[in-house]
Amino acid sequence: AQKITQTQPGMFVQEKEAVTLDCTYDTSDPSYGLFWYKQPSSGEMIFLIYQGSYDQQNATEGRYSLNFQKARKSANLVISASQLGDSAMYFCAMRDLEGGSARQLTFGSGTQLTVLP
Amino acid sequence: DVKVTQSSRYLVKRTGEKVFLECVQDMDHENMFWYRQDPGLGLRLIYFSYDVKMKEKGDIPEGYSVSREKKERFSLILESASTNQTSMYLCASSSSGIFLGNTIYFGEGSWLTVV
Repeated sequence: AQKITQTQPGMFVQEKEAVTLDCTYDTSDPSYGLFWYKQPSSGEMIFLIYQGSYDQQNATEGRYSLNFQKARKSANLVISASQLGDSAMYFCAMRDLEGGSARQLTFGSGTQLTVLP
Repeated sequence: DVKVTQSSRYLVKRTGEKVFLECVQDMDHENMFWYRQDPGLGLRLIYFSYDVKMKEKGDIPEGYSVSREKKERFSLILESASTNQTSMYLCASSSSGIFLGNTIYFGEGSWLTVV
């Protein structure tokens, strides 16, 4: 079963507007961590934000916030005031203890975001 | 800042060649990873290593091997390259400790084309 699902292969947003990138996950482990990464066309994966399953509040980092809905198993990334430099591929990822190893991350298929001027 | 460096950004190899992808990190991290990235599939884990000379298979290890002789260096080896191994390869590292928020840091990726 797919552990991380990103249903939006591509998204467009107007500059200065907010955009939400969807991510749903599947785990039976009550302890897990959720991550978002940005990958510009240069290829490097840039860590954006982290949310732990026991965190009481939604994570925020500058213009990035994570809309964490535990009951729905969703961890959507919200980018406020989009900039042209936000155009990139965005990946949602999860770490849990299923399978016995918590060292690696499991990634979704990604969403290509294009910010329009 | 964490720096993960992959030695080759772009490679073109012939079918059947032995291919080495090299990765070095400068943060004294215990864990190192090799992921493969393909359109529509996201990143898939090939192998990871949690210590020198230690390795574990990831989700897609077939056709690959790895080597970790020094803590800072993790090599991915394609023993006999095939066209279905044409892909983007990403190396990553993280500190030790199995805690949920342990961030994994990535290199810039190596684009491999097998012809």
